[in-house]
Amino acid sequence: QKEVEQNSGPLSVPEGAIASLNCTYSDRGSQSFFWYRQYSGKSPELIMSIYSNGDKEDGRFTAQLNKASQYVSLLIRDSQPSDSATYLCAVILGNQFYFGTGTSLTVIP
Amino acid sequence: NAGVMQNPRHLVRRRGQEARLRCSPMKGHSHVYWYRQLPEEGLKFMVYLQKENIIDESGMPKERFSAEFPKEGPSILRIQQVVRGDSAAYFCASSPGVEAFFGQGTRLTVV
Repeated sequence: QKEVEQNSGPLSVPEGAIASLNCTYSDRGSQSFFWYRQYSGKSPELIMSIYSNGDKEDGRFTAQLNKASQYVSLLIRDSQPSDSATYLCAVILGNQFYFGTGTSLTVIP
Repeated sequence: NAGVMQNPRHLVRRRGQEARLRCSPMKGHSHVYWYRQLPEEGLKFMVYLQKENIIDESGMPKERFSAEFPKEGPSILRIQQVVRGDSAAYFCASSPGVEAFFGQGTRLTVV
């Protein structure tokens, strides 16, 4: 089992809709969770971090963490075409950041 | 506060040559991670370093690859005797302890 698993997509949503991205992780000892956005040909950009159960909101982004279910999600409200990218979930375990393979999101105008 | 700086941005090497990739972390960051990414694939962990120490190199091939993060100067990822399979984007990320921020990457092409 991979440390971090994501549905690779692609996920398509219409402009203005809510995009929901999901991630599961294998180790209950993980304490720190992150979402990165990566545009094609660019480097990953940190958009959200979350460390405790519940929701964390930042603008149009909401990260949700459920440690009992080992589940992290990212909601993007009022999706814009500029949100079209690959979203990477990351978890710290030991000395490493483990990354999922990413979910490709396309927002259709 | 400048971001994580990687150079060169693009590097072309012939098979058998050496590639040196540099990463200058953000000011105040003492942790550096190196990742490799192939087209349409995820980020693969290579090595985690702190100043003058390799903390975890479990993701780095045992042969031809080495990394350092000296007391002064940038972190260096060195690939000796490059082969075509080494062609990839190499990203470094720096961290003050938890959150990690990526440089723009070095795209290595082996011809």
